[in-house]
Amino acid sequence: EPEVTQTPSHQVTQMGQEVILRCVPISNHLYFYWYRQILGQKVEFLVSFYNNEISEKSEIFDDQFSVERPDGSNFTLKIRSTKLEDSAMYFCASNQRPVGNEQFFGPGTRLTVL
Amino acid sequence: AQSVTQPDIHITVSEGASLELRCNYSYGATPYLFWYVQSPGQGLQLLLKYFSGDTLVQGIKGFEAEFKRSQSSFNLRKPSVHWSDAAEYFCAVSDRKLIWGLGTSLAVNP
Repeated sequence: EPEVTQTPSHQVTQMGQEVILRCVPISNHLYFYWYRQILGQKVEFLVSFYNNEISEKSEIFDDQFSVERPDGSNFTLKIRSTKLEDSAMYFCASNQRPVGNEQFFGPGTRLTVL
Repeated sequence: AQSVTQPDIHITVSEGASLELRCNYSYGATPYLFWYVQSPGQGLQLLLKYFSGDTLVQGIKGFEAEFKRSQSSFNLRKPSVHWSDAAEYFCAVSDRKLIWGLGTSLAVNP
């Protein structure tokens, strides 16, 4: 069964460093998403992406964040200069259409900023 | 604004007992509703979803949920809980993106 994959599973970085989190969505999906979950808190939407551009973003997704689909398979989330409060689990998801269609989630990347 | 409320932060039940986890939503149009489960240190697994039609939906692992439009609720139920059901349960509504509740942490006593 096809699945969404994410790498790395755990990333530790120093404050101020750039990180890139990688996701491989399901191959025939067209819509891609990033969510984050700070430890002990609820899952929060960051951004959605379709047709090589951002379709929606939350207020969390400020200028420090960017997303890219550099090739036909990968979908990346970059944090330019990490802060302590960026420590969280980051989930990638994908689906075929945004309405009336479940999102398939990857296993997540745990980001720890020291 | 769209929102999801899960009133119970933490629930403890005995193994074999029945379970009901509450979820209320606020959404202007016909909601697409989901329940996800997250085991410790794990990702998000879809338990079940409601898009339309029969208001009682069946999911994996013996879970079911009932959509009640009049009460803006989508409560999750299981008739007999197993120790392996101990996890965090999230209700979500789809507005293209998913809007999540705070989650309910379920503990199961042997």
